[in-house]
Amino acid sequence: DADVTQTPRNRITKTGKRIMLECSQTKGHDRMYWYRQDPGLGLRLIYYSFDVKDINKGEISDGYSVSRQAQAKFSLSLESAIPNQTALYFCATSDPGTDTQYFGPGTRLTVL
Amino acid sequence: AQSVTQPDIHITVSEGASLELRCNYSYGATPYLFWYVQSPGQGLQLLLKYFSGDTLVQGIKGFEAEFKRSQSSFNLRKPSVHWSDAAEYFCAVFYTGTASKLTFGTGTRLQVTL
Repeated sequence: DADVTQTPRNRITKTGKRIMLECSQTKGHDRMYWYRQDPGLGLRLIYYSFDVKDINKGEISDGYSVSRQAQAKFSLSLESAIPNQTALYFCATSDPGTDTQYFGPGTRLTVL
Repeated sequence: AQSVTQPDIHITVSEGASLELRCNYSYGATPYLFWYVQSPGQGLQLLLKYFSGDTLVQGIKGFEAEFKRSQSSFNLRKPSVHWSDAAEYFCAVFYTGTASKLTFGTGTRLQVTL
């Protein structure tokens, strides 16, 4: 079984809809991250969480919110989706000793 | 601010040829350096990482990378490329002492011709 899972894997939605992307991990890591990937831009950090009570904004947090429901679960929400949020979204966890990050398979989100 | 530059957006090599993908990072405190690979439709997989010690590090799938502090570089190499190596490759840097944030380069897409 995969260590980091994301649901859904693909989602098409309309402008203005609320969307939640979910991430679960079995690695036992406290640190979790949400990134988005756009062609030619690499991965950009949206939010990160060092533990259940510690959530931090990344470089592109506007338009997004997160919830850390448990050590193993970290959800990303788009309160009112817009077309420029169409992207590939990745969740990751990291080993605090080395900051080696482990990625989920990604969620492809299309906002029409 | 920390940054990572991958100057080659796209590289094409013939199967069996050698490969070098370039990565430069902004100078700062001791960096942790990583290379990840993303196959089409897949997530990111860690190829190798450098924290300290020997500046030549070995990774999976026959890849290696060399840390050169004087050049602020961490180039990825492979002596003989296989068609299955076609993918996008990302260099990333993490600086100790800062908020725990990994900064990625924009990626290099590798095409392998038969």
